[in-house]
Amino acid sequence: TQLLEQSPQFLSIQEGENLTVYCNSSSVFSSLQWYRQEPGEGPVLLVTVVTGGEVKKLKRLTFQFGDARKDSSLHITAAQPGDTGLYLCAGSYNDYKLSFGAGTTVTVRA
Amino acid sequence: DAGVIQSPRHEVTEMGQEVTLRCKPISGHDYLFWYRQTMMRGLELLIYFNNNVPIDDSGMPEDRFSAKMPNASFSTLKIQPSEPRDSAVYFCASRTSGVNNEQFFGPGTRLTVL
Repeated sequence: TQLLEQSPQFLSIQEGENLTVYCNSSSVFSSLQWYRQEPGEGPVLLVTVVTGGEVKKLKRLTFQFGDARKDSSLHITAAQPGDTGLYLCAGSYNDYKLSFGAGTTVTVRA
Repeated sequence: DAGVIQSPRHEVTEMGQEVTLRCKPISGHDYLFWYRQTMMRGLELLIYFNNNVPIDDSGMPEDRFSAKMPNASFSTLKIQPSEPRDSAVYFCASRTSGVNNEQFFGPGTRLTVL
């Protein structure tokens, strides 16, 4: 059973379009992380959000943590083929364990 | 600097055989994690160590799985006997102390049990 629900499961868009991935839970997290995983590799951390309502930007990627710290979103502006990958959200309950969502597979077509 | 190192990268074995997966964490990292990733269940935490001591093994599926960390630079995950449902990609990750610090993942071991 996934504590974190990610949607959509799959997303295929054309280069230059925008996309948003959602991560939702009924639990309150002390922090939430977003990872990106490419085929044959391990996940790589993109960002950590800690404060409710926090917004962080990483070039064309915008991450938001919900006010209640139960949900988060990842928005990519003007997607490029290099953004293709599996995007995973992971929540922490103020310890060292991470609970991962099932992931969203993003494909950006050239 | 070398990242987390895992071996082997691929393992194919027959049901009933013993399988040992190996991990070398990043030097200086005092937390080590073992995960399993499947299409059906996603990325699941199996066990994690702090300073070579197992802290939480509640994710270990059953007694056929065991993990050890004899020193700060080496850990093993053993499955004995292996079953086809154990087929998955197994990841090792390490990090330093401090809440919210990044976990660095290895490249994974793809295990296929026939």
